[in-house]
Amino acid sequence: GAVVSQHPSRVICKSGTSVKIECRSLDFQATTMFWYRQFPKQSLMLMATSNEGSKATYEQGVEKDKFLINHASLTLSTLTVTSAHPEDSSFYICSARDPRTPTYEQYFGPGTRLTVT
Amino acid sequence: LAKTTQPISMDSYEGQEVNITCSHNNIATNDYITWYQQFPSQGPRFIIQGYKTKVTNEVASLFIPADRKSSTLSLPRVSLSDTAVYYCLVVRDTGGFKTIFGAGTRLFVKA
Repeated sequence: GAVVSQHPSRVICKSGTSVKIECRSLDFQATTMFWYRQFPKQSLMLMATSNEGSKATYEQGVEKDKFLINHASLTLSTLTVTSAHPEDSSFYICSARDPRTPTYEQYFGPGTRLTVT
Repeated sequence: LAKTTQPISMDSYEGQEVNITCSHNNIATNDYITWYQQFPSQGPRFIIQGYKTKVTNEVASLFIPADRKSSTLSLPRVSLSDTAVYYCLVVRDTGGFKTIFGAGTRLFVKA
């Protein structure tokens, strides 16, 4: 099946700094990618929908100036957490749909564990 | 988009069949039902998708009654490695792809 990768798998940063997380579709082109955040023992929360060549669509309550999303190519979307604070520590997961797949299956990346100290 | 409700947790033993039921009372005509499995510190993995009646693949079956207000994921002969969180999602693809994760069901398989 289709593969989505994320980099880095885990990152530790200091409070006030910015962190960039990459999400790549390895063997398919994705015009749309999704970014989720998951806190321990909780479900996934959709943060935003990343659209290639246009602005991302953010879910209600998600600060677009804090979580910058760029989808510059059909295989790469990036999430930048700006001025990170300890409360931004979480598991960030991206997903994409392969247009060749006949189902509504989303292919998820392995996730990025962000720890802000 | 229809909110989903599942049991918070379930326990089972190896070799048993496990059925996890999800309610989605406000599902719309064009919505589909999908199920995902998630292990700790990993991204979710697609299990199965259905619209109505019964769908079966190599790992699970999905039963959807005629009113489509609920669905049941059936895992035959579970093993310890099936211990995971299972999510039921309603998917809508009109006017843009949309889906929302519910709380999920934490399945614990015991030896």
